[in-house]
Amino acid sequence: KQEVTQIPAALSVPEGENLVLNCSFTDSAIYNLQWFRQDPGKGLTSLLLIQSSQREQTSGRLNASLDKSSGRSTLYIAASQPGDSATYLCAVPGGATNKLIFGTGTLLAVQP
Amino acid sequence: AAGVIQSPRHLIKEKRETATLKCYPIPRHDTVYWYQQGPGQDPQFLISFYEKMQSDKGSIPDRFSAQQFSDYHSELNMSSLELGDSALYFCASSGQVDSYNEQFFGPGTRLTVL
Repeated sequence: KQEVTQIPAALSVPEGENLVLNCSFTDSAIYNLQWFRQDPGKGLTSLLLIQSSQREQTSGRLNASLDKSSGRSTLYIAASQPGDSATYLCAVPGGATNKLIFGTGTLLAVQP
Repeated sequence: AAGVIQSPRHLIKEKRETATLKCYPIPRHDTVYWYQQGPGQDPQFLISFYEKMQSDKGSIPDRFSAQQFSDYHSELNMSSLELGDSALYFCASSGQVDSYNEQFFGPGTRLTVL
């Protein structure tokens, strides 16, 4: 059974810092991995999708990497801003129907 | 670009009442997923449909049912509501027309059961 965990559970950094969020999964036979952002009480915004054949995906100040063999993905945020404060979730498809299995999330606070 | 539409955005019900949540997927997407996110929890898969047929089922109570219609919109019907059903309910859609089955999420319906 696929299990997804994220470390750390919470992170507080001063504005301008570069930071790394970690995502681990137990079953490496994944098709892709998605990173989402969620503001409190709001919906899920897809940030990046990395296909199983890719090692990295970039969008603006965000860079996500994927190492299937070790069951890990990282989300790198450069030059963090207070507007980056949110919960970040990673998710992998599970089973033939690609239903998403979410990690436990990292609550990020960027202090001005 | 068109996104996934969910209605209503907010819903308040009493215990033992029924609720119907609606989801309109992105045009040409053929797969719909429903997820439930309780307070402080990560989203949990409930049920999915592909080409109007149920394709997978997660931890969905027997009090809940869902279907996908001929226009690909989906409805989640919830009966005998309990306090524990209070949550954010997300619908997501995906399709072969988009690359690698990326799932696109709607804004969610916040259900409060009193």
